[in-house]
Amino acid sequence: ELKVEQNPLFLSMQEGKNYTIYCNYSTTSDRLYWYRQDPGKSLESLFVLLSNGAVKQEGRLMASLDTKARLSTLHITAAVHDLSATYFCAVDDRSYGKLTFGQGTILTVHP
Amino acid sequence: DAGVIQSPRHEVTEMGQEVTLRCKPISGHDYLFWYRQTMMRGLELLIYFNNNVPIDDSGMPEDRFSAKMPNASFSTLKIQPSEPRDSAVYFCASSPGRTTQYFGPGTRLTVL
Repeated sequence: ELKVEQNPLFLSMQEGKNYTIYCNYSTTSDRLYWYRQDPGKSLESLFVLLSNGAVKQEGRLMASLDTKARLSTLHITAAVHDLSATYFCAVDDRSYGKLTFGQGTILTVHP
Repeated sequence: DAGVIQSPRHEVTEMGQEVTLRCKPISGHDYLFWYRQTMMRGLELLIYFNNNVPIDDSGMPEDRFSAKMPNASFSTLKIQPSEPRDSAVYFCASSPGRTTQYFGPGTRLTVL
């Protein structure tokens, strides 16, 4: 059974600081997704990573994938309040289209 | 495109009643997924369909839960009878194959 673990689960940051969220998974996979969820809202797709060494960047967020280590990272650069949300990673277990989600990381950015 | 549409957005019902949640996927998407989100268990995949056919329903918690997809533009998730522990946010998502899933706004279900 595929297991996906994120850490930290709670992250309180100051504006302007950098930090990284980690996503570890237990079995071989070649696709990993990052989603954002604002309180009371739906999930919004941020990135899809399709191969070992893949790196995607959008604004202050950068995601990377190391399939050999079974690890993805979501790096936040110079955090701003608007980035406050819950971030999920999700792994495709190769059962065509089925995703397993991590627990989510609740990010709060303080002034 | 209107995105994934779910109805109702909020549902409050009493224990023992039947509840039906509805979903319209994005046109052209051949995969449809039903998820449940709770604080305790996080996001759980309940069932998913490919070309209207159920592929994996191993996440459906009990026989009280059933899902159908009679055509490419409509799916239902039914709970009968409902129980307080079914209270959660239920999301429907769709995708055009093995790629990014697009989530609907969710239905917040409260069972009293």
